[in-house]
Amino acid sequence: QVQLVQSGAEVKKPGASVKVSCKASGYTFTSYGFSWVRQAPGQGLEWMGRITVYNGNTHYGQKFQGRVTMTTDTSTRTAYMELRSLRSDDTAMYYCARDRGNYNWFDPWGQGTLVTVSS
Amino acid sequence: DIQMTQSPSSLSASVGDRLTITCRASQSIYSYLNWYQQKPGKAPELLIYTASTLQSGVPSRFSGSGSGTDFTLTISSLQPEDFATYYCQQSHSTPHTFGQGTRLEIK
Repeated sequence: QVQLVQSGAEVKKPGASVKVSCKASGYTFTSYGFSWVRQAPGQGLEWMGRITVYNGNTHYGQKFQGRVTMTTDTSTRTAYMELRSLRSDDTAMYYCARDRGNYNWFDPWGQGTLVTVSS
Repeated sequence: DIQMTQSPSSLSASVGDRLTITCRASQSIYSYLNWYQQKPGKAPELLIYTASTLQSGVPSRFSGSGSGTDFTLTISSLQPEDFATYYCQQSHSTPHTFGQGTRLEIK
């Protein structure tokens, strides 16, 4: 079955970087892309950006431009999201989700990775 | 960016009730509207895509309708496992914005 498994929880200091991984299985990896969505504690869902696997094209939300990098490794079927210059308000659960870009939907989602930013 | 507005933000209902959640887009998104269900401590799950297509495995008591700017999610007869938070999301253009969510609680 299609499955996305994310890396474990992280605790980072302000100003540091975090890199979250999302390992895919059960489908043709290069036929889809990934979106990354975050959810601050008790808050709603916020789309951060997406990457198309076959050509590496990315589209980042304006809020994250310059601070986020999304990549994939086809040899390991893994997607990555790196967020730099972390602030306390980056504390959130980060989700990867499989998608196909515009006119499409997110399914399935990874289980989430909690990133805590604290001094 | 396209803004998505859900209403209500929260509601209380009883098992067996029929309820409707609405989602409005700030501009036409045609039928590129998806609905997700999120239970506490869990990742969201896809319920409905392109406004009205039920995802495989989702019970038929869930239905979606609408096009353009106005959309609805209807649950025909609430079951105990339906108490969760529901989000709409537009996939017409990036950023793929979400509504603020509707929290459904047991009355």
